[in-house]
Amino acid sequence: EAGVVQSPRYKIIEKKQPVAFWCNPISGHNTLYWYRQNLGQGPELLIRYENEEAVDDSQLPKDRFSAERLKGVDSTLKIQPAELGDSAVYLCASSGTRNTGELFFGEGSRLTVL
Amino acid sequence: AQTVTQSQPEMSVQEAETVTLSCTYDTSESDYYLFWYKQPPSRQMILVIRQEAYKQQNATENRFSVNFQKAAKSFSLKISDSQLGDAAMYFCAYRKIFGNEKLTFGTGTRLTIIP
Repeated sequence: EAGVVQSPRYKIIEKKQPVAFWCNPISGHNTLYWYRQNLGQGPELLIRYENEEAVDDSQLPKDRFSAERLKGVDSTLKIQPAELGDSAVYLCASSGTRNTGELFFGEGSRLTVL
Repeated sequence: AQTVTQSQPEMSVQEAETVTLSCTYDTSESDYYLFWYKQPPSRQMILVIRQEAYKQQNATENRFSVNFQKAAKSFSLKISDSQLGDAAMYFCAYRKIFGNEKLTFGTGTRLTIIP
């Protein structure tokens, strides 16, 4: 079974530029999460999707961040414009209907804003 | 709101020895999951061990075991016979049982294995 796939693995941009991250969850997983992990910290939730519906986006900075999951499968997280403080690892995770409680994570996308 | 606290930013252990990582949490729920995830330099979070709060028996996975103290809201991870491949960041995490809600993570403990 293929795991959660994320791209790109690394991205370096100048501040004020846009950036997008892509995530393909495990097949059949209806719930998709985007987390941000600052250096030396634990991940913090940005947004959670149930199928194509965003059911928890309370921690998403909506002035510059947006996300979509149009067909309830893969998802894109966008930042426009990026700021220096957005430098972090962006992790995508998914979970299925078989409620073991576990989230399955991708390898993350490391963003550096110069 | 649920919180997870890991008070040990860094730990080190000699290869083949045993080490215990600490975690405390706060919740008003009676049923929930607790997890330990490992994050090596490759960045991918890997599940180490899971505990359901309604189970009194402590979970065990090979060299990894937990000491779950529900009344004290404590959830420590013991790694026996430490190996070089165990070196990583370890995160304690909490999740409600019902619904597909988020994992709430602690700040992590960096474990170093000394050859």
